[in-house]
Amino acid sequence: SQKIEQNSEALNIQEGKTATLTCNYTNYSPAYLQWYRQDPGRGPVFLLLIRENEKEKRKERLKVTFDTTLKQSLFHITASQPADSATYLCALDLGGNTPLVFGKGTRLSVIA
Amino acid sequence: GAVVSQHPSWVICKSGTSVKIECRSLDFQATTMFWYRQFPKQSLMLMATSNEGSKATYEQGVEKDKFLINHASLTLSTLTVTSAHPEDSSFYICSARDGTSFEQFFGPGTRLTVL
Repeated sequence: SQKIEQNSEALNIQEGKTATLTCNYTNYSPAYLQWYRQDPGRGPVFLLLIRENEKEKRKERLKVTFDTTLKQSLFHITASQPADSATYLCALDLGGNTPLVFGKGTRLSVIA
Repeated sequence: GAVVSQHPSWVICKSGTSVKIECRSLDFQATTMFWYRQFPKQSLMLMATSNEGSKATYEQGVEKDKFLINHASLTLSTLTVTSAHPEDSSFYICSARDGTSFEQFFGPGTRLTVL
């Protein structure tokens, strides 16, 4: 069966450390993978898109990796800050005009 | 990044009334938009895929006569909740895909409360 899993429902880390969130999928062949941040009562905010032929992508303190052999994406926030506390969603993009397939999200808390 | 707007951001209505929510892509054209609903502390739930100039594709269990979707232009899709009832109270979010970058952007959401 097809599955997408974000391994931790919640993750607590100390300010200044690197947060690493995991997204694994089974029986999908995504063309892209997208990561979002969602704060309570708000719509998801787009962070990064990585293509199937890209291994890594960076944007400021964010880094995403995509391993199509392992069927896994890792999302890193370096030098984390309390303002980074939010729910982070990974989404498989199967291409065309198909809807994104979302994981359940990881709630990250960065403790000062 | 690209911007998707939603209006209104919140609405309170009486049971039995209809409510229209607008979703606009402000700086790109979107042939496809998506409508989601989200209950507190739960995941996004896809309701329908809205295609410009054609009928929307609804997910299983979503009543198309209750949730009317119109995608009249490349920058505007509307969701009308007809004869709303308290159980329709939820957070409704639209998204649009940029056909050039393939990035998908979400609106800020509309909080609907039906009394």
